[in-house]
Amino acid sequence: DAGITQSPRHKVTETGTPVTLRCHQTENHRYMYWYRQDPGHGLRLIHYSYGVKDTDKGEVSDGYSVSRSKTEDFLLTLESATSSQTSVYFCAISESVGRQPQHFGDGTRLSIL
Amino acid sequence: AQSVTQLGSHVSVSEGALVLLRCNYSSSVPPYLFWYVQYPNQGLQLLLKYTSAATLVKGINGFEAEFKKSETSFHLTKPSAHMSDAAEYFCAVSVTGGGNKLTFGTGTQLKVEL
Repeated sequence: DAGITQSPRHKVTETGTPVTLRCHQTENHRYMYWYRQDPGHGLRLIHYSYGVKDTDKGEVSDGYSVSRSKTEDFLLTLESATSSQTSVYFCAISESVGRQPQHFGDGTRLSIL
Repeated sequence: AQSVTQLGSHVSVSEGALVLLRCNYSSSVPPYLFWYVQYPNQGLQLLLKYTSAATLVKGINGFEAEFKKSETSFHLTKPSAHMSDAAEYFCAVSVTGGGNKLTFGTGTQLKVEL
């Protein structure tokens, strides 16, 4: 299995609080991604990174920010969490573009009350 | 922009029966296509991928998929279902130049009955 660690695995927090999720990889892959998974929607891309300090928005980026200061770490921040951001969040990594598959972490289950 | 449609959010088969999970894609350029499987409380695991080589792709756990350009389809099959195949399956598409961003279908929950 690809060396991807997501932390925390579970979190419950209140509306309006900041939340940061961490994705750590040991594969030295260039590309990293954050998705959210919701019933009936599959997985939707939030943000992705194509190198250190190089990031771009995905399909559902509103309310989220990311940072990548090191190759191995990709952080997802909810500046002021809302109930609509209750979801399961997955990090993925990819060695290169196109034909190379993405490999996924085990996810973070986030509940915002 | 590319998109994926998975027909049937729930599919039920008997153990030993054929598994057929449908995936149709839309893309203005040649796509790369993937099938992933997700077991409860786990991340997504790659089953197989199509990257413009052979149109019939074999994956893990006895699954295979055939790329049909004329039908814009990439259906997943397995000749004989096993109880351990019960999971959610996702079809996904990416294209060159798109930052390797994956667009997922909404998933198909496979149930295997005795």
